[in-house]
Amino acid sequence: RKEVEQDPGPFNVPEGATVAFNCTYSNSASQSFFWYRQDCRKEPKLLMSVYSSGNEDGRFTAQLNRASQYISLLIRDSKLSDSATYLCVVNRASGTYKYIFGTGTRLKVLA
Amino acid sequence: DTGVSQDPRHKITKRGQNVTFRCDPISEHNRLYWYRQTLGQGPEFLTYFQNEAQLEKSRLLSDRFSAERPKGSFSTLEIQRTEQGDSAMYLCASSPRLAGFDTQYFGPGTRLTVL
Repeated sequence: RKEVEQDPGPFNVPEGATVAFNCTYSNSASQSFFWYRQDCRKEPKLLMSVYSSGNEDGRFTAQLNRASQYISLLIRDSKLSDSATYLCVVNRASGTYKYIFGTGTRLKVLA
Repeated sequence: DTGVSQDPRHKITKRGQNVTFRCDPISEHNRLYWYRQTLGQGPEFLTYFQNEAQLEKSRLLSDRFSAERPKGSFSTLEIQRTEQGDSAMYLCASSPRLAGFDTQYFGPGTRLTVL
């Protein structure tokens, strides 16, 4: 089983739609969680950190479920510019800065 | 430009040759990471430095790979006796020294093609 698993997609959604991605992780000792965005042939960039209580940044909402060991990303009112690959990132364990990236979920927002 | 820079951006080499890549992190970032990314996959952790100390190294890294970060500033990644399976994008990232701030800032990457 992979340490971090994501549905690779692609998720094809119309503009204005709401879309959600999940990411599961296998190590219960993981403490830090992030969503990164990667555009085609570009480097990854931080989208948002994921906090235990959940957090929101504009149209983006991230949630953490420690009991079931998954994190989620919700995008509301999708824009064409949201088309990208969304990478789930988890640290291996508390006190380590080794980060494990998922394979990413591709999102295509259609006009 | 105060972002992470990597050099070269592209490298084509023949199997068996040695290659070296350079990464210049954001100034005063004390943590530096190297990743490898192939098509359709997420970045794969290779190694991590805190200042000049190499604290973690992936078991996936064979003895042909070595990384250094002299004086805790720029870093180099060397691959000896390259193989076709080494063809990938090699990404460098840095993050600041502030405790709890784990945001990684990535460079544009070095794309390696081994013929």
